[in-house]
Amino acid sequence: KAGVTQTPRYLIKTRGQQVTLSCSPISGHRSVSWYQQTPGQGLQFLFEYFSETQRNKGNFPGRFSGRQFSNSRSEMNVSTLELGDSALYLCASSLLVAGSTDTQYFGPGTRLTVL
Amino acid sequence: AQRVTQPEKLLSVFKGAPVELKCNYSYSGSPELFWYVQYSRQRLQLLLRHISRESIKGFTADLNKGETSFHLKKPFAQEEDSAMYYCALSGAGGTSYGKLTFGQGTILTVHP
Repeated sequence: KAGVTQTPRYLIKTRGQQVTLSCSPISGHRSVSWYQQTPGQGLQFLFEYFSETQRNKGNFPGRFSGRQFSNSRSEMNVSTLELGDSALYLCASSLLVAGSTDTQYFGPGTRLTVL
Repeated sequence: AQRVTQPEKLLSVFKGAPVELKCNYSYSGSPELFWYVQYSRQRLQLLLRHISRESIKGFTADLNKGETSFHLKKPFAQEEDSAMYYCALSGAGGTSYGKLTFGQGTILTVHP
């Protein structure tokens, strides 16, 4: 099976702009989680979507949002970009077997640079 | 609140030496613990998880609930083990859906 794919791989934006990142999960996986990775804060959970519903959200401002489509593909959006939003954004998909915590399979990430 | 601590940012060993990467966690319930690894220019991937009780690439990890630790061990390190290693925790219940809490990571370098 093809792995998790993320597009674009690199983005450069300026402060105040907005950005949309895309994630295609492994075929058959219905849960998609998003993480922000920075040198200072490490890997931090943003949110998780399952069956087009956000089930969990991390401690990030409302400028960070996401959605999931019926084919399980997910997008995340960051509005009014700030310099501190520069980071590697990772998405991960999992199969979701009832009664257990599934392995998350990670994409290569989107490197966002805010100038 | 859940927290994962990896006390060593850098760890260097020589080939053939034993290696232990430390991981301590804080969680009020029964967590699931994972080790993820990121090799150079590759994506983050699962190395092992405690419920599987497997040995992957010679690595093992035992969950010690008394000491709240999940240390990763390998008796004889190889150069190809050089990578960044992350310990991660998943809790139970609705607030944990799809959420992994990661430690800061340990960069392991195995010298020839």
